[in-house]
Amino acid sequence: DTEVTQTPKHLVMGMTNKKSLKCEQHMGHRAMYWYKQKAKKPPELMFVYSYEKLSINESVPSRFSPECPNSSLLNLHLHALQPEDSALYLCASSPLGSSEAFFGQGTRLTVV
Amino acid sequence: RKEVEQDPGPFNVPEGATVAFNCTYSNSASQSFFWYRQDCRKEPKLLMSVYSSGNEDGRFTAQLNRASQYISLLIRDSKLSDSATYLCVAIQGAQKLVFGQGTRLTINP
Repeated sequence: DTEVTQTPKHLVMGMTNKKSLKCEQHMGHRAMYWYKQKAKKPPELMFVYSYEKLSINESVPSRFSPECPNSSLLNLHLHALQPEDSALYLCASSPLGSSEAFFGQGTRLTVV
Repeated sequence: RKEVEQDPGPFNVPEGATVAFNCTYSNSASQSFFWYRQDCRKEPKLLMSVYSSGNEDGRFTAQLNRASQYISLLIRDSKLSDSATYLCVAIQGAQKLVFGQGTRLTINP
């Protein structure tokens, strides 16, 4: 299994909603990432988890809350988002000691 | 100054042409470099790693010049299927991938 699977693929949520994005990989990778990508822009790093511990938080607003319940799963909890948070949210994983990151297909989020 | 800079293009070239992309990075501590390819509305996919000695994968050649902090990608005999956005990536620290803004390539029949 060489895939990173993200659900849902599309999500529309209101500014008062709470939702979660999910990411799963079974490649034994111990580093997992959340990236945000706006249209015609490159991916921007949000969070990095190493061995299920948060190692990098790129000053992301607290309305985004990551969680890594085990070595295969990564969640991103969303609460009170703004319309400007609408973007493609990409999950990625890599083996520790390697920088080759494998990306999921992303969740396309629209905040209304 | 952006940490990783690329010419955003767009590049429009005829099928069969050779096309070259360039990228510069500002953090001299960056150790690893990659080229990723991203199709429209899809996720980035690793195209190839970049080494100082240069590396080739079929029609693709990547090169790193650490002294100039410069990375290149050469595509020979371009195919219609090469149309995509090409992203230059530098690794900072152990795991932080820093992306350039991407170069959009369209191969015309």
